[in-house]
Amino acid sequence: EVQLLESGGGLVQPGGSLRLSCAASGFTFLNYAMSWVRQAPGKGLEWVSVISGSGTGTYYADSAKGRFTISRDYSKNTLYLQMNSLRVEDTATYFCARAYSMSSELDYWGQGILVTVSS
Amino acid sequence: SYVLTQSPSVSVAPGKTARISCGGNNIGSKSVHWYQQRPGQAPVLVISYDTDRPSGVSERFSGSISANTATLTISRVEVGDEADYYCQVWDSSSDHVVFGGGTKLTVL
Repeated sequence: EVQLLESGGGLVQPGGSLRLSCAASGFTFLNYAMSWVRQAPGKGLEWVSVISGSGTGTYYADSAKGRFTISRDYSKNTLYLQMNSLRVEDTATYFCARAYSMSSELDYWGQGILVTVSS
Repeated sequence: SYVLTQSPSVSVAPGKTARISCGGNNIGSKSVHWYQQRPGQAPVLVISYDTDRPSGVSERFSGSISANTATLTISRVEVGDEADYYCQVWDSSSDHVVFGGGTKLTVL
């Protein structure tokens, strides 16, 4: 059974940093691209970043570029999102999701983790 | 950047057919995926590559596409179908995943 479990969320002050993790199980991690998608309270889905199965390709939404870094650890089957210079508008539930390739559908999603940026 | 446009809300009576549209410039040249998100839950893929229904998704869900509009059709709507629905594409010109703004389906 495919499982994705996010962790690392919480309350952080503006300008601070946070690293989200997404532990993957039930599939061959190397064979799939992974994305982060966020959802501000009461708002729609917003794509944040994607990383290829090999880890050699990464893309970012304009809102994340230069502040967020996506990465993956194959020894731990874990996806990461390092978030720096956080802003109030980054407050959202962050979901990790699996895709066969960077351009394909997101076929499995984690339950999400809440990040709150506030002073 | 590429934009997907969805109506904010659609209302339908139980047992009737709901149609949720997703507009985009030349969307017919892209692959469209649809997600259902019930309140407080993670999104679930319900249609991939315009018309394909993943295993486990009710056959009441179907997708279609034309030059500038993709449509998610839900037949014989049930109260349990009440949710937000999002369309999504890959924009190869920007290498970005793009979501529509979402449509809230209300079952009257």
